[in-house]
Formats: sequence, C-alpha cells, structure tokens
Amino acid sequence: EVQLVESGGGLVQPGGSLRLSCAASGFTFSSYWMSWVRQAPGKGLEWVANIKQDGSEKYYVDSVKGRFTISRDNAKNSLYLQMNSLRAEDTAVYYCAREVIAVAPDSAWFDPWGQGTLVTVSS
Amino acid sequence: SYVLTQPPSVSVAPGKTARITCGGNNIGSKSVHWYQQKPGQAPVLVIYYDSDRPSGIPERFSGSNSGNTATLTISRVEAGDEADYYCQVWDSSSDHFYVFGTGTKVTVL
Repeated sequence: EVQLVESGGGLVQPGGSLRLSCAASGFTFSSYWMSWVRQAPGKGLEWVANIKQDGSEKYYVDSVKGRFTISRDNAKNSLYLQMNSLRAEDTAVYYCAREVIAVAPDSAWFDPWGQGTLVTVSS
Repeated sequence: SYVLTQPPSVSVAPGKTARITCGGNNIGSKSVHWYQQKPGQAPVLVIYYDSDRPSGIPERFSGSNSGNTATLTISRVEAGDEADYYCQVWDSSSDHFYVFGTGTKVTVL
C-alpha cells in the first residue's frame, strides 16, 4: 500500500524554526517528484514546494522563498521541509504529496497525500 | 498567476446530481484534476486528466472541460459525498506550478 506519513508539526513562536518529515512506503520513492502542500485553518489548498527525484531541482512558492528548504533522503525514503523565520501566516496543516507527472498532454497532479501535520505559529 | 474560481457551496438532495464548476481563462486548453476532502481528512484524487477516474473512485464521479469552465459531476449523490472539492491545474509558466481552485463545499440535504 502506498503511504505517506508526516511528522514534526507543533507550536512555534514567530521567528522560530521547525522541520517537517514525511516517511514514504509502498512505492519507489526515488522515482517521483515530491511536494509539500499546505492548508491554513478553514482555507483552501496552497502548493508550497517541490523537489525532483534526485534533489537536483527545487521550487518554492514566492511567500516561502528564502525561509523554507525542501530536501529528501532517498536512502531513507524520506522528504523534509525545513521552515525558518516562521510567521503567523504559515500556520497550516502541511501535507506531503507524491506528484504524478504525465505527458501528452503535459500535466501533473497529486496522488496520494499524507494525513498532514499541523504547524501553529503563535506567541 | 493563473486563477481558478469555484462556487463556495453547492447543495443537492440525495439521489440527485451535483455539478461543481471551476472557471479559468481558457481552462479547456489545460488538464484539470479534482480532489475530494472530507472534514479532518487529507484530499483524495477523484478525477484526473479532466475526466479519468482513479481506481476505487465510483463511476458516479465524472468530469468535463471546455472553454473557460471545467465541471465535476456527481451523479446519484449519497450522504458520503458531502465534502469540499478542489480543482487543480499544472501551470508550468507560473511560479506556482500547481494552482488550486478556491474550493466548493458540497452539502447533501
């Protein structure tokens, strides 16, 4: 069974740091692009960052550039999100998701998603 | 950046048909994917490539996409279909890459 399990969320003060982890199982982790997607309380979904299979390419939404770093360890089947200089607006459930990338026509979507981990930034 | 607009809510009686729209500029030229999210749960893919269903998703779920509107249709609605639904496109020209719709809450009366 394909499974993604996030951990590492919690309460952190503004300006603080937190590292999220995502443990993957049931598929060849090293063969997939992976993403982090977040959802603020009562709000919609927002893509945050993604990383190529070998870690050589990483992309971020503008609002987290310079503060968040995505990484992966294919030997451990794990995805990470290092979050620094956290702000109140970063408060959200953070989901790890496997990307499915298709050609003809070019497109991509997420399947599956982890259960999410809650990050609360508050003093 | 590319914007996808959905109605905030749709109400439907059991056994009837629910239609959820996703509006975007020339969205018919893109592939649209749909997710179902029940309260307290992670999103689940229900439609990809406009109209394809992943294994395990009932045939009651279908999709279409043309012009400036994509539509997710749920036929013979059941109480268990009550959830939030999000459309999504992949936009390689955007710094967001993955763009989600604003979300639609489906209420089964």
